Amino acid sequence: NAGVMQNPRHLVRRRGQEARLRCSPMKGHSHVYWYRQLPEEGLKFMVYLQKENIIDESGMPKERFSAEFPKEGPSILRIQQVVRGDSAAYFCASSPTGTQYFGPGTRLLVL
Amino acid sequence: EDQVTQSPEALRLQEGESSSLNCSYTVSGLRGLFWYRQDPGKGPEFLFTLYSAGEEKEKERLKATLTKKESFLHITAPKPEDSATYLCAVQAVANTGTASKLTFGTGTRLQVTL
Repeated sequence: NAGVMQNPRHLVRRRGQEARLRCSPMKGHSHVYWYRQLPEEGLKFMVYLQKENIIDESGMPKERFSAEFPKEGPSILRIQQVVRGDSAAYFCASSPTGTQYFGPGTRLLVL
Repeated sequence: EDQVTQSPEALRLQEGESSSLNCSYTVSGLRGLFWYRQDPGKGPEFLFTLYSAGEEKEKERLKATLTKKESFLHITAPKPEDSATYLCAVQAVANTGTASKLTFGTGTRLQVTL
């Protein structure tokens, strides 16, 4: 059973560009979570989705960030007009119910 | 607001020198407490879930315990390959009936030397 897949693993963007991060959950998992880890900080919750629904977006910045988990295909975290402060590791986790299993992360660097 | 505090921030042990990592938490209603291991440049790797005070779980050299206010991760006779950052997280009971987010501590960086 393949684990949680994330791509790309590394992403470099210039200020003002868009970043798209993809997450394929483990087979049979219908819950997807996105977390952000800033250097020297802990993991911070961003958004929780089930297929075609956003369940909790309380950790998502109000502007420039959006997330989706369509009926078919991976979950997407989209960051518009990136700024240097968006540089971080972004982790996706999936869950059948309680325990969350994490992917390897996407490391975003904004120049 | 749910909070998790881990101590110490960093710990250096010699191989075979047992110790414990602490995770103190406050949560509105605990659904589960989770321990993860994170190696540099990688995602968190699941270790244990604890659901109620008094519960204990073991895996190889690791043992996790839970009280109403804190959890301990005991490491017995550690080896260099146990070197990693150990993360503690809590999940609160969600009134929607669905699983909810994890609130993480900042972790304990463990280094085990020969």
